Formats: sequence, C-alpha cells, structure tokens
Amino acid sequence: QQQVKQSPQSLIVQKGGISIINCAYENTAFDYFPWYQQFPGKGPALLIAIRPDVSEKKEGRFTISFNKSAKQFSLHIMDSQPGDSATYFCAASDSGNTPLVFGKGTRLSVIA
Amino acid sequence: DTGVSQDPRHKITKRGQNVTFRCDPISEHNRLYWYRQTLGQGPEFLTYFQNEAQLEKSRLLSDRFSAERPKGSFSTLEIQRTEQGDSAMYLCASSLAGSPTQYFGPGTRLTVL
Repeated sequence: QQQVKQSPQSLIVQKGGISIINCAYENTAFDYFPWYQQFPGKGPALLIAIRPDVSEKKEGRFTISFNKSAKQFSLHIMDSQPGDSATYFCAASDSGNTPLVFGKGTRLSVIA
Repeated sequence: DTGVSQDPRHKITKRGQNVTFRCDPISEHNRLYWYRQTLGQGPEFLTYFQNEAQLEKSRLLSDRFSAERPKGSFSTLEIQRTEQGDSAMYLCASSLAGSPTQYFGPGTRLTVL
C-alpha cells in the first residue's frame, strides 16, 4: 500500500516558470511533511518541511502549500532555474516517531 | 565536513558474496536510519536505531540483512549471500530523537553481478 502518492512523475518547465509538484497521503497520523531534492548519484537533501498547523510555508523560491482536509500538499518552485533540475521527493512521518515514507519522486527539468 | 558519511560509495560484487556498508551519522545525532532506493523510486525504510538499540525493522529487511550500531555511533549494514535484486542505493540518515528532520548521507551504490 503506497501511503504517499506523488505526481507528476516528470515535469519540464521553462526557465523562470513555476514548477508545481503534488503529493497526497493516506495516514492521518502523519504530521510532518518534508520535501527532498536529489541530484544524480547523491543522497536526498532536505529542502523545506511543513507541519499541519500552517497552510503554507515559504523559504526563498520554494513554497509548500498544505491542505489538511484533502490530505494533500504541494511544492511550488518560483522562478525555476536550470540548477533546479533534479528529482524531488515528498515524504511524511508521524513527528519523527515513524520512519519517513517517501513518494516515488518527480524528475524536474528546467530548460532555458 | 560534519554531515552524514557513508563508505564505500560504490560496491560491485558477485552474486552470493557478502558485503558490508558503514555509516557515520552527524556526531550529536542519536537516531540512525537505513533506507534502500532503487532506480526511479523513492527511498524505502529498512531499519533504524536509537543509540545502540535497533527499534524497528521493515519487512523489506530479509534474514540476509543485518544491521548493527554497537556503540551508538557508527552503524554497519551487512548483506549476506547477495542477490541481483539487492542492487540498489543504500542510504543512511540521522536525526536527533524527538526531531523529525532526517539528514541523509551520499549513499552506497551496490551492484550485484
């Protein structure tokens, strides 16, 4: 049973555009939702994370939007740059009391 | 560098051989996690430790897999009698107990021929 569903599988965005990646979860005990960025041959790097007590969190060009009732959250990358080209994973856990459950990833390509 | 480190970065082995990987967490982190990532997939949880105690094991962790963290610092993951299906990236992450934030190492890429 896949507990975190991520879409799209791949995404191509023009430089300067907005990249949007969506995730949906099933387990209502989840209350910590991070996004990780992974470059080929590297480990995942934490990008930004949100708790369900807020509906949005912004750090620089990266924003997480969270909809608790729909059990969905999304990552928005504003002014996308070629250096943002990577695979992005959403994840969820129960306040760190359970291991992270990851989505299958979105391969983002930002083209000039 | 004070991040999570893993050794080796790459391992090629023949089917049936045993392999061992090492992970050194961020020094003050008392939780250490092992994940496995296959091509085109997200990391999947294998097991985790708090200090030297192994608190949880995934059903993905067959009896050919064993993990240890003897002194609550570094950890080793051993795979016995490797199979081609074991080919994957093995990732280690660490965190402070009570914090959900996990920091990942660069991974060990295992190829079983």
